[in-house]
Amino acid sequence: GAVVSQHPSRVICKSGTSVKIECRSLDFQATTMFWYRQFPKQSLMLMATSNEGSKATYEQGVEKDKFLINHASLTLSTLTVTSAHPEDSSFYICSARVTSSYEQYFGPGTRLTVT
Amino acid sequence: QQPVQSPQAVILREGEDAVINCSSSKALYSVHWYRQKHGEAPIFLMILLKGGEQKGHDKISASFNEKKQQSSLYLTASQLSYSGTYFCGTEGEGNTPLVFGKGTRLSVIA
Repeated sequence: GAVVSQHPSRVICKSGTSVKIECRSLDFQATTMFWYRQFPKQSLMLMATSNEGSKATYEQGVEKDKFLINHASLTLSTLTVTSAHPEDSSFYICSARVTSSYEQYFGPGTRLTVT
Repeated sequence: QQPVQSPQAVILREGEDAVINCSSSKALYSVHWYRQKHGEAPIFLMILLKGGEQKGHDKISASFNEKKQQSSLYLTASQLSYSGTYFCGTEGEGNTPLVFGKGTRLSVIA
């Protein structure tokens, strides 16, 4: 299967700072990537759809000014959590869709802790 | 709309079989199945596309009944490594994002 990397895998930051998470498709090009958030023992909640070369589409209730998404190339999407607060602490996972097969592969996730 | 998965949890002994169901109230284009272990990201198992498919590899297979808007994942002769939470993700028409069910926690014991 296709490989998606995510960096960093774990980050601890202070309240009020910003954190950038990178998502890369390593062996395929992804015109569409997705960002999810997962709380312990819960399902994956879609935050936004990231399309290469255009603005991201955010799900209802997700603040686009707080969660900045940039999809500058066919292999890289970034999520920046701005002015992070403890309630933003969560497991953030990206996924990338293989255009030809519709298969969607997840990155290893980033565990964000805001103190 | 979030698909409904059943059962919520199941405990199996090694070698037993299990079926996990996923149903949607909306017309589906595809169903994706994933397994997630604690603290890790979901691992892709398979995708089933509109047209009523059945797929499988090794001892894990799945079916997709487009008319009933349902999919089932079949695990046969379960192994300890099958333990984890299984999620179905459904995609509607028009290249929409996947929406995931709440998951089915599967525990395989020796």
